[in-house]
Amino acid sequence: GAGVSQSPRYKVAKRGQDVALRCDPISGHVSLFWYQQALGQGPEFLTYFQNEAQLDKSGLPSDRFFAERPEGSVSTLKIQRTQQEDSAVYLCASSLLEYNEQFFGPGTRLTVL
Amino acid sequence: GENVEQHPSTLSVQEGDSAVIKCTYSDSASNYFPWYKQELGKRPQLIIDIRSNVGEKKDQRIAVTLNKTAKHFSLHITETQPEDSAVYFCAASMTHAGGTSYGKLTFGQGTILTVHP
Repeated sequence: GAGVSQSPRYKVAKRGQDVALRCDPISGHVSLFWYQQALGQGPEFLTYFQNEAQLDKSGLPSDRFFAERPEGSVSTLKIQRTQQEDSAVYLCASSLLEYNEQFFGPGTRLTVL
Repeated sequence: GENVEQHPSTLSVQEGDSAVIKCTYSDSASNYFPWYKQELGKRPQLIIDIRSNVGEKKDQRIAVTLNKTAKHFSLHITETQPEDSAVYFCAASMTHAGGTSYGKLTFGQGTILTVHP
Protein backbone atom coordinates (compact mmCIF):
# COMPACT_ATOMS: atom_id res chain seq x y z
CA GLY A 1 0.00 0.00 0.00
CA ALA A 2 1.01 3.59 -0.51
CA GLY A 3 -0.25 4.96 2.80
CA VAL A 4 1.46 5.64 6.12
CA SER A 5 1.87 2.50 8.18
CA GLN A 6 2.59 2.07 11.88
CA SER A 7 3.57 -0.88 14.01
CA PRO A 8 2.63 -2.38 16.29
CA ARG A 9 -1.05 -1.45 16.12
CA TYR A 10 -1.51 -2.32 19.79
CA LYS A 11 1.02 -2.42 22.59
CA VAL A 12 0.49 -3.31 26.22
CA ALA A 13 3.34 -2.46 28.57
CA LYS A 14 3.87 -2.79 32.26
CA ARG A 15 4.68 0.43 34.05
CA GLY A 16 8.40 1.03 33.88
CA GLN A 17 8.98 -0.82 30.62
CA ASP A 18 10.50 0.79 27.55
CA VAL A 19 8.55 0.76 24.26
CA ALA A 20 9.40 1.55 20.64
CA LEU A 21 6.78 2.58 18.10
CA ARG A 22 7.53 2.53 14.38
CA CYS A 23 6.27 4.72 11.55
CA ASP A 24 6.72 4.10 7.83
CA PRO A 25 5.81 7.29 5.99
CA ILE A 26 4.72 7.58 2.38
CA SER A 27 7.76 7.12 0.16
CA GLY A 28 9.35 10.41 -0.77
CA HIS A 29 7.66 12.43 1.94
CA VAL A 30 10.11 14.87 3.49
CA SER A 31 8.07 15.84 6.54
CA LEU A 32 7.08 13.53 9.38
CA PHE A 33 5.04 14.40 12.46
CA TRP A 34 4.22 12.47 15.63
CA TYR A 35 1.02 13.22 17.56
CA GLN A 36 -0.41 11.83 20.79
CA GLN A 37 -4.18 11.28 21.03
CA ALA A 38 -5.62 10.68 24.48
CA LEU A 39 -9.01 8.98 24.73
CA GLY A 40 -11.78 11.33 23.62
CA GLN A 41 -9.39 14.13 22.68
CA GLY A 42 -7.89 15.59 19.56
CA PRO A 43 -4.34 14.70 18.54
CA GLU A 44 -1.59 16.78 20.15
CA PHE A 45 1.73 17.54 18.45
CA LEU A 46 4.81 15.81 19.79
CA THR A 47 7.66 16.29 17.33
CA TYR A 48 8.57 17.06 13.71
CA PHE A 49 11.25 15.77 11.32
CA GLN A 50 12.38 17.22 8.03
CA ASN A 51 14.21 14.31 6.43
CA GLU A 52 16.53 13.08 9.19
CA ALA A 53 16.63 16.37 11.09
CA GLN A 54 14.42 16.75 14.15
CA LEU A 55 13.49 20.42 13.87
CA ASP A 56 10.84 20.66 16.55
CA LYS A 57 10.47 18.54 19.67
CA SER A 58 8.58 21.09 21.71
CA GLY A 59 5.60 18.78 22.24
CA LEU A 60 7.45 15.89 23.82
CA PRO A 61 6.00 15.68 27.35
CA SER A 62 9.15 14.60 29.15
CA ASP A 63 12.73 13.47 28.62
CA ARG A 64 11.43 9.89 28.68
CA PHE A 65 10.21 10.46 25.12
CA PHE A 66 12.72 10.22 22.30
CA ALA A 67 12.22 10.13 18.53
CA GLU A 68 14.56 9.49 15.63
CA ARG A 69 14.52 9.23 11.85
CA PRO A 70 18.14 8.32 11.07
CA GLU A 71 17.85 7.81 7.31
CA GLY A 72 15.09 10.26 6.61
CA SER A 73 12.39 7.64 6.06
CA VAL A 74 11.28 5.30 8.87
CA SER A 75 10.86 6.94 12.27
CA THR A 76 10.79 5.45 15.75
CA LEU A 77 9.23 6.98 18.84
CA LYS A 78 10.69 5.54 22.01
CA ILE A 79 9.22 5.92 25.47
CA GLN A 80 11.38 4.95 28.40
CA ARG A 81 10.10 3.88 31.81
CA THR A 82 6.46 4.06 30.70
CA GLN A 83 3.87 5.54 33.05
CA GLN A 84 0.10 5.10 33.09
CA GLU A 85 -0.37 8.64 31.78
CA ASP A 86 1.48 7.61 28.61
CA SER A 87 -1.52 5.47 27.63
CA ALA A 88 -2.83 6.94 24.37
CA VAL A 89 -2.92 6.43 20.63
CA TYR A 90 0.29 7.60 18.96
CA LEU A 91 -0.28 8.85 15.44
CA CYS A 92 2.31 9.44 12.78
CA ALA A 93 1.67 11.69 9.79
CA SER A 94 3.75 12.50 6.74
CA SER A 95 3.58 15.17 4.08
CA LEU A 96 5.45 15.77 0.88
CA LEU A 97 6.82 19.04 2.18
CA GLU A 98 6.31 20.85 5.45
CA TYR A 99 3.23 22.84 4.48
CA ASN A 100 1.40 20.22 2.44
CA GLU A 101 -1.51 17.97 3.43
CA GLN A 102 -0.64 15.56 6.21
CA PHE A 103 -1.52 11.90 5.74
CA PHE A 104 -2.02 9.96 8.95
CA GLY A 105 -1.16 6.41 9.84
CA PRO A 106 -3.59 4.13 11.70
CA GLY A 107 -1.86 4.79 15.02
CA THR A 108 -0.44 2.62 17.77
CA ARG A 109 -2.66 2.21 20.82
CA LEU A 110 -0.40 2.05 23.88
CA THR A 111 -1.83 0.80 27.15
CA VAL A 112 0.38 1.01 30.23
CA LEU A 113 -0.74 -1.18 33.12
CA GLY B 1 0.83 28.93 21.25
CA GLU B 2 -2.27 28.28 19.19
CA ASN B 3 -5.46 27.14 20.92
CA VAL B 4 -8.45 25.70 19.07
CA GLU B 5 -11.88 25.32 20.65
CA GLN B 6 -14.53 23.12 19.00
CA HIS B 7 -18.29 22.90 19.60
CA PRO B 8 -20.46 20.98 20.09
CA SER B 9 -18.78 17.94 21.56
CA THR B 10 -21.66 15.72 20.42
CA LEU B 11 -24.21 16.24 17.65
CA SER B 12 -27.13 14.02 16.82
CA VAL B 13 -29.19 14.56 13.64
CA GLN B 14 -31.72 12.71 11.53
CA GLU B 15 -30.71 11.44 8.12
CA GLY B 16 -31.17 14.20 5.55
CA ASP B 17 -30.73 17.05 8.04
CA SER B 18 -27.78 19.42 8.05
CA ALA B 19 -24.99 19.41 10.62
CA VAL B 20 -22.81 22.35 11.63
CA ILE B 21 -19.63 22.19 13.71
CA LYS B 22 -17.88 25.36 14.84
CA CYS B 23 -14.29 26.12 15.82
CA THR B 24 -12.46 29.17 17.09
CA TYR B 25 -8.72 29.76 17.08
CA SER B 26 -6.54 32.12 19.03
CA ASP B 27 -3.50 32.93 16.88
CA SER B 28 -4.18 35.39 14.07
CA ALA B 29 -1.05 34.07 12.29
CA SER B 30 -2.79 30.75 11.56
CA ASN B 31 -3.70 30.55 7.90
CA TYR B 32 -4.59 26.93 7.14
CA PHE B 33 -7.65 25.15 8.56
CA PRO B 34 -8.23 21.47 7.73
CA TRP B 35 -11.08 19.25 8.87
CA TYR B 36 -10.51 15.57 9.59
CA LYS B 37 -13.00 12.70 9.90
CA GLN B 38 -12.05 9.84 12.18
CA GLU B 39 -14.11 6.67 12.33
CA LEU B 40 -13.81 4.45 15.38
CA GLY B 41 -10.36 2.87 15.52
CA LYS B 42 -9.34 4.36 12.18
CA ARG B 43 -6.90 7.01 11.09
CA PRO B 44 -7.93 10.68 10.73
CA GLN B 45 -8.71 11.49 7.10
CA LEU B 46 -8.79 14.94 5.58
CA ILE B 47 -12.23 15.79 4.23
CA ILE B 48 -11.86 19.48 3.39
CA ASP B 49 -9.54 22.38 4.12
CA ILE B 50 -9.50 26.13 3.69
CA ARG B 51 -6.77 28.72 3.55
CA SER B 52 -7.09 32.22 4.91
CA ASN B 53 -7.22 33.88 1.52
CA VAL B 54 -10.74 32.56 0.90
CA GLY B 55 -13.93 32.78 2.94
CA GLU B 56 -15.74 29.66 1.82
CA LYS B 57 -15.04 26.34 0.11
CA LYS B 58 -17.46 23.65 -0.96
CA ASP B 59 -17.07 20.03 -2.00
CA GLN B 60 -20.35 18.29 -2.78
CA ARG B 61 -22.25 17.97 0.53
CA ILE B 62 -19.45 19.48 2.60
CA ALA B 63 -18.59 23.15 2.97
CA VAL B 64 -16.30 25.17 5.23
CA THR B 65 -16.56 28.86 6.02
CA LEU B 66 -13.89 31.07 7.57
CA ASN B 67 -14.21 34.40 9.36
CA LYS B 68 -10.68 35.73 9.88
CA THR B 69 -11.81 38.79 11.79
CA ALA B 70 -13.67 36.75 14.37
CA LYS B 71 -11.14 33.90 14.18
CA HIS B 72 -13.68 31.20 13.69
CA PHE B 73 -14.44 28.61 11.04
CA SER B 74 -17.25 26.12 10.56
CA LEU B 75 -17.96 22.81 8.86
CA HIS B 76 -21.33 22.35 7.19
CA ILE B 77 -22.60 18.94 6.09
CA THR B 78 -25.86 18.89 4.15
CA GLU B 79 -28.16 15.94 3.45
CA THR B 80 -26.46 13.87 6.13
CA GLN B 81 -26.23 10.11 5.72
CA PRO B 82 -25.59 7.38 8.34
CA GLU B 83 -22.09 6.88 6.92
CA ASP B 84 -21.28 10.47 7.95
CA SER B 85 -21.36 9.26 11.57
CA ALA B 86 -17.83 9.69 12.98
CA VAL B 87 -15.70 12.03 15.06
CA TYR B 88 -14.83 15.27 13.29
CA PHE B 89 -11.78 17.36 14.20
CA CYS B 90 -10.96 20.88 13.15
CA ALA B 91 -7.36 22.05 13.17
CA ALA B 92 -5.30 25.16 12.61
CA SER B 93 -1.80 25.65 11.30
CA MET B 94 0.61 28.35 10.20
CA THR B 95 2.07 27.76 6.76
CA HIS B 96 4.34 30.74 6.35
CA ALA B 97 7.42 30.00 4.28
CA GLY B 98 10.54 30.30 6.38
CA GLY B 99 8.58 30.05 9.60
CA THR B 100 9.22 27.64 12.41
CA SER B 101 5.80 26.05 12.79
CA TYR B 102 6.60 23.56 9.99
CA GLY B 103 2.89 23.13 9.45
CA LYS B 104 2.22 21.32 12.72
CA LEU B 105 -1.50 21.04 13.42
CA THR B 106 -3.32 22.21 16.55
CA PHE B 107 -6.55 20.23 16.85
CA GLY B 108 -9.89 20.93 18.46
CA GLN B 109 -11.35 18.47 20.95
CA GLY B 110 -13.55 16.75 18.40
CA THR B 111 -17.29 16.41 17.69
CA ILE B 112 -19.04 13.05 17.77
CA LEU B 113 -21.59 13.18 14.96
CA THR B 114 -24.37 10.59 14.93
CA VAL B 115 -26.74 10.43 11.98
CA HIS B 116 -29.89 8.43 12.72
CA PRO B 117 -31.55 6.60 9.79
